[in-house]
Amino acid sequence: DIQMTQSSSYLSVSLGGRVTITCKASDHINNWLAWYQQKPGNAPRLLISGATSLETGVPSRFSGSGSGKDYTLSITSLQTEDVATYYCQQYWSTPYTFGGGTKLEIK
Amino acid sequence: QIQLVQSGPELKKPGETVKISCKASGYTFTNYGMNWVKQAPGKGLKWMGWINTNTGEPTYAEEFKGRFAFSLETSASTAYLQINNLKNEDTATYFCARSGVRRRYFDYWGQGTTLTVSS
Repeated sequence: DIQMTQSSSYLSVSLGGRVTITCKASDHINNWLAWYQQKPGNAPRLLISGATSLETGVPSRFSGSGSGKDYTLSITSLQTEDVATYYCQQYWSTPYTFGGGTKLEIK
Repeated sequence: QIQLVQSGPELKKPGETVKISCKASGYTFTNYGMNWVKQAPGKGLKWMGWINTNTGEPTYAEEFKGRFAFSLETSASTAYLQINNLKNEDTATYFCARSGVRRRYFDYWGQGTTLTVSS
C-alpha cells in the first residue's frame, strides 16, 4: 500500500498570509494526487486533482504543485473561510490512501 | 445539479446489521464508480473500497473485507453499504463519493451518514 504523509497535522497562519501544506507519498504516484478541504460537520470537497488542476469554483488563491513523491498545496491571502482540515489522497493504486490531514487555523 | 444524498443517522447495537444508502442524481449513474469512505470520530479519512456501477463488481480495502458489502440498485441510481455483525469500532461517519472511470479522484461526495454502535 502507498502511505501518504502530511508532515504537519496543525498549522496556524495569519489572516491574509500564505501557507504551504506538504504531502509525501511512499512511492511514485505519477501526479495522481488530489487535495480535499473538509470543514467541521461537512463532507470533504475536492479542490485539486492531478496534483495541479484546480476544480471549477475553487478560488485561485489555492494552487497545487509537485511531482514524483512530493506534493504541496498552497493557499495565498488566507481568508477566514479557509479554516478547515486539508487532506491529500493518492489515486494511483488501490487502496486509495489519504494523508492524515492538516488542520489550518487563523493565528 | 449533481447530488449524492445519503440516508439518515443510525443507532445500532453490537451484532446488528445496518444498510446505508446513497442516491445519485444529476448524472448517468453507470458512468462513474462509487466509493465508500469511513471517518471515525475526530479522525481522518479512510477509503473502504468502491463498486463498479456498470458491472456491480465491488473492490474492498483489506481492512473492510468480510463484514462489509457494497451493492447497487441501478434502476434507482442508488448505492448501498451494508455492515454486518456491527462492532463498537464501526462508530463513524460514512461517506459515498463518486469517481471517474480512469481518473479516480472523488469529485462529488454525499453528506455523510453517522452510525453509532452502542449497547
